[in-house]
Amino acid sequence: ETGVTQSPTHLIKTRGQQVTLRCSSQSGHNTVSWYQQALGQGPQFIFQYYREEENGRGNFPPRFSGLQFPNYSSELNVNALELDDSALYLCASSLEVRGYTGELFFGEGSRLTVL
Amino acid sequence: LAKTTQPISMDSYEGQEVNITCSHNNIATNDYITWYQQFPSQGPRFIIQGYKTKVTNEVASLFIPADRKSSTLSLPRVSLSDTAVYYCLVGNYGGSQGNLIFGKGTKLSVKP
Repeated sequence: ETGVTQSPTHLIKTRGQQVTLRCSSQSGHNTVSWYQQALGQGPQFIFQYYREEENGRGNFPPRFSGLQFPNYSSELNVNALELDDSALYLCASSLEVRGYTGELFFGEGSRLTVL
Repeated sequence: LAKTTQPISMDSYEGQEVNITCSHNNIATNDYITWYQQFPSQGPRFIIQGYKTKVTNEVASLFIPADRKSSTLSLPRVSLSDTAVYYCLVGNYGGSQGNLIFGKGTKLSVKP
């Protein structure tokens, strides 16, 4: 158990819809990052939040957005869903101290299917 | 960004030692090497991290030669439950995780 929980575990949406995925970080962690993992591929970095501000972003369009709350929980929002957005979405929490981010603790993921 | 190259798959038998090598020719001075393990439909799990020479913990050892252009994850006496995908990551862990790139990983299959 990593102490990182994600919801929902599975969901089905149709093309064009919007989705919100949620993540509760491990207690004491101040950083959360989101990854997209397509079938058979490694996780791809979407973005990272540190103290409620985005401080890093991968090669994903603006329709992927996020929030980090004061309690360090987080949301990933995806607008105008496309078929290729079907994937496992992983949340990882970590503790950043003096510019160094340690071990990533991943949740079990949210499996999104876009029809 | 440091790119890594690993074998796509490996097979082993229970009780054997497994060594998975990762190449990272353009590793930067301030980059660390980290290995994660992932089971199907689960998030990756941290195994071990190192900068140079050898690091050992309760589950694995990590060997890093002096030039740091490769690293080898060693799993002693594997069991069926070690069947998983293993990812080698290279990055400096400073601030954003955007420089941590997961490749396709190495799919390890342990047979009885």
